[in-house]
Amino acid sequence: AQSVTQPDIHITVSEGASLELRCNYSYGATPYLFWYVQSPGQGLQLLLKYFSGDTLVQGIKGFEAEFKRSQSSFNLRKPSVHWSDAAEYFCAVGARGGGNKLTFGTGTQLKVEL
Amino acid sequence: EPEVTQTPSHQVTQMGQEVILRCVPISNHLYFYWYRQILGQKVEFLVSFYNNEISEKSEIFDDQFSVERPDGSNFTLKIRSTKLEDSAMYFCASSAPSDRVPYEQYFGPGTRLTVT
Repeated sequence: AQSVTQPDIHITVSEGASLELRCNYSYGATPYLFWYVQSPGQGLQLLLKYFSGDTLVQGIKGFEAEFKRSQSSFNLRKPSVHWSDAAEYFCAVGARGGGNKLTFGTGTQLKVEL
Repeated sequence: EPEVTQTPSHQVTQMGQEVILRCVPISNHLYFYWYRQILGQKVEFLVSFYNNEISEKSEIFDDQFSVERPDGSNFTLKIRSTKLEDSAMYFCASSAPSDRVPYEQYFGPGTRLTVT
């Protein structure tokens, strides 16, 4: 069965500092991987995705993520965090085929200090 | 930009009552999903729906739950007899098939269901 681990429940960074949110997945084959962001009271917005090919993927709002098969990881990064990036971030893994369900991690709550 | 919409944004119901949560997926999408998020917990898959039938469902999606696409635009989730533990945010999502991106799922804003 597929699973996702986000080891950091809360992270606090200063505005302008760099950010890395960790995500480890478990899946029997090459997975589909996603990062979503959820602002308070809002739905889930897709930040970026990995399906195949280049292991460094670019997303919206200046985010990027790197797929590392050897480490079963898909960490999210941003070189310089803005106060508006404060939100909850979810990593998700998707199965290839079947019902295409997404399995989410528990999320990382990002706080940005001004 | 097209988006998934959900109504109502907040639904309060009494235990044992039936509720229907409504979603309008993005118009050219063919795959539809329901997820839920209990307060403070992670987002959980409930069901996926394609070609007018359920393609996959989770253990959570028991006989109390049903889904329907009653017309060309709406996608509904019905809970027949609500329990306290059904209180959660329910998200609808949709995706379009293609060779390269089989299911980039787009989520609606959610319906917060409160069962009292």
